[in-house]
Amino acid sequence: GEDVEQSLFLSVREGDSSVINCTYTDSSSTYLYWYKQEPGAGLQLLTYIFSNMDMKQDQRLTVLLNKKDKHLSLRIADTQTGDSAIYFCAESTNNAGKSTFGDGTTLTVKP
Amino acid sequence: NAGVTQTPKFRILKIGQSMTLQCTQDMNHNYMYWYRQDPGMGLKLIYYSVGAGITDKGEVPNGYNVSRSTTEDFPLRLELAAPSQTSVYFCASSYGGATGDLETQYFGPGTRLLVL
Repeated sequence: GEDVEQSLFLSVREGDSSVINCTYTDSSSTYLYWYKQEPGAGLQLLTYIFSNMDMKQDQRLTVLLNKKDKHLSLRIADTQTGDSAIYFCAESTNNAGKSTFGDGTTLTVKP
Repeated sequence: NAGVTQTPKFRILKIGQSMTLQCTQDMNHNYMYWYRQDPGMGLKLIYYSVGAGITDKGEVPNGYNVSRSTTEDFPLRLELAAPSQTSVYFCASSYGGATGDLETQYFGPGTRLLVL
């Protein structure tokens, strides 16, 4: 079945850029998503990218998609302590809206 | 809009007990989902529904049941609680049914369940 892989941890200093990486196996993925989960809360959609795009920018967030390598990344510019959270990569194939999620990357931002 | 709401926020069950996790959305979304999130893991799909009266199994349906009698509500039932069902349960909804950002899922705050 589909699989989504992420590195488990990332630590950066406040003000630096963060890059969170994700790989997926399903070549028929339609949409790829990044969600943010703060402690004790549900998942909040940050941004998404359609599979025929290779880049999407939204304020401090930049999503890069390499469809050939099935690699997705999320860059957070000028990372703040409030960005500390778990970030989940997910993909969907327009099949009843079902998504497959990675295990999440815990981002720690040090002052 | 309240979005997706879930009750209770936290519950402790004894082995063999049953309970219903409630989920309601007020966005008139067609699709609804139940996930479980085990510690340090991503989300696993338990059941989903593409509309009132229609439900289908996800990746990990064993030990659970669902119903979808209205567009708004999608309760998840645990009949005989087991320690393996200790997890955080998330309900989500999406408009669904077409390409575009209509597939975006909106999540509730979660229900933390501990089975002892």
